[in-house]
Amino acid sequence: ELKVEQNPLFLSMQEGKNYTIYCNYSTTSDRLYWYRQDPGKSLESLFVLLSNGAVKQEGRLMASLDTKARLSTLHITAAVHDLSATYFCAVGTQQTGANNLFFGTGTRLTVIP
Amino acid sequence: EAGVAQSPRYKIIEKRQSVAFWCNPISGHATLYWYQQILGQGPKLLIQFQNNGVVDDSQLPKDRFSAERLKGVDSTLKIQPAKLEDSAVYLCASSSGQVQPQHFGDGTRLSIL
Repeated sequence: ELKVEQNPLFLSMQEGKNYTIYCNYSTTSDRLYWYRQDPGKSLESLFVLLSNGAVKQEGRLMASLDTKARLSTLHITAAVHDLSATYFCAVGTQQTGANNLFFGTGTRLTVIP
Repeated sequence: EAGVAQSPRYKIIEKRQSVAFWCNPISGHATLYWYQQILGQGPKLLIQFQNNGVVDDSQLPKDRFSAERLKGVDSTLKIQPAKLEDSAVYLCASSSGQVQPQHFGDGTRLSIL
C-alpha cells in the first residue's frame, strides 16, 4: 500500500512569515493533489500536479512536484490568518482502472496575528 | 454548479445498531467515492464507483459495511452492525475524470455510543 507522509504535522507561524509543508510518498505515482480542510468542513481542492517539475500557484500558496524524489511541497508566502486550516496532500495511483487516492495525515496550520 | 450533497450531517447511534448515509454527487460526475475520516487522520478510501459499478472496494469492511449506487447517480453507504471504532466522518466525493480532482461533500459525522 502506498504510504504518504507529511511534515510537519502541526505548524504555528506568525503572519507575514514564509514556510514550506512537505509531502513524501513511497511508490511511483503520476498525480498529486493538495486539499485544504477548515474545522468541521469538507475538503477543498487547491492544486492538481500531474507531471515531474509541475508548479502551481494560487495567491500565497505555491505547490510543486518532484516525482523522482517522490516529494511535493506546499510553500506559504507571507502568511495571513485566513490560511489557518489543515492541509492534506493526496497521492493518486491507478490500479485496475481505479483512481485511488492515498491521503497524508495532514498539516494543521495556525497563523498567529 | 451544486456541490456534493450528503445527509444526514450528524448521526448518533448505539453500538450494534445500523445506520445509512446518502450521497448525491455533482451532476454528470460518473465516479463516486466514499471515504472514512477518523479524527486527526486523513481520509481513507472505502469504495469507488464508476457509474453504477464498483471499481474498487478492497478497503471496505464487507462484513459490516455495504454500499450501492443504483442508476449511477445517488449512493448509500450502510453499516450493520456498528462498532465503536466506526466513529468517524464519512465523506462522499465525486469526480468527472480519472485525473480530475475529487469534489467532497460536507460529510456525515457518526458517533457510536
